[in-house]
Amino acid sequence: EPEVTQTPSHQVTQMGQEVILRCVPISNHLYFYWYRQILGQKVEFLVSFYNNEISEKSEIFDDQFSVERPDGSNFTLKIRSTKLEDSAMYFCASSRGGETQYFGPGTRLLVL
Amino acid sequence: KNEVEQSPQNLTAQEGEFITINCSYSVGISALHWLQQHPGGGIVSLFMLSSGKKKHGRLIATINIQEKHSSLHITASHPRDSAVYICAVPRAGTASKLTFGTGTRLQVTL
Repeated sequence: EPEVTQTPSHQVTQMGQEVILRCVPISNHLYFYWYRQILGQKVEFLVSFYNNEISEKSEIFDDQFSVERPDGSNFTLKIRSTKLEDSAMYFCASSRGGETQYFGPGTRLLVL
Repeated sequence: KNEVEQSPQNLTAQEGEFITINCSYSVGISALHWLQQHPGGGIVSLFMLSSGKKKHGRLIATINIQEKHSSLHITASHPRDSAVYICAVPRAGTASKLTFGTGTRLQVTL
């Protein structure tokens, strides 16, 4: 069964460094999403992406964040100049249309 | 913004019990999502529903749009059902900007 994959599974970085989190959505899906979950807290929506552009974003998704679909398969989340409070689990998801979203296993980011 | 409240926060049940988890939201929506988060952190979509009832195996989800309320039922619960169950709804006027509940942590014991 097709699934969403994410790399790396864990990433440790120093405050101020840039990180790129990678996702490979399900191949015939058209809508892509990033979420984050700070330890012990709710899942939070970051951004949705369709037709090579951001369709919706949350207040959290400020200029520090960017998303890109650099080729036909990858969907990336870049965090410039990471802060301690960016430490969280980051989930990618994809859907074919506006229905069920399929989640990746997540990337656990730790900023020191 | 759509506020999402789930109850109970924690639930312990014995194997075989019928389980109900509730979700209430504050603003009218087009559809509601139920998700399952495993102890390791992975998230699985269980249902997306906009009216009535959906069933998948031992899981049943219902929604009452007028009352802004949804329930997730698990029949004949099993220890492998132990997980956090989360409901999520889109913010008013959006389709994908989901607001998530805090989740219900379910523990099913033998």
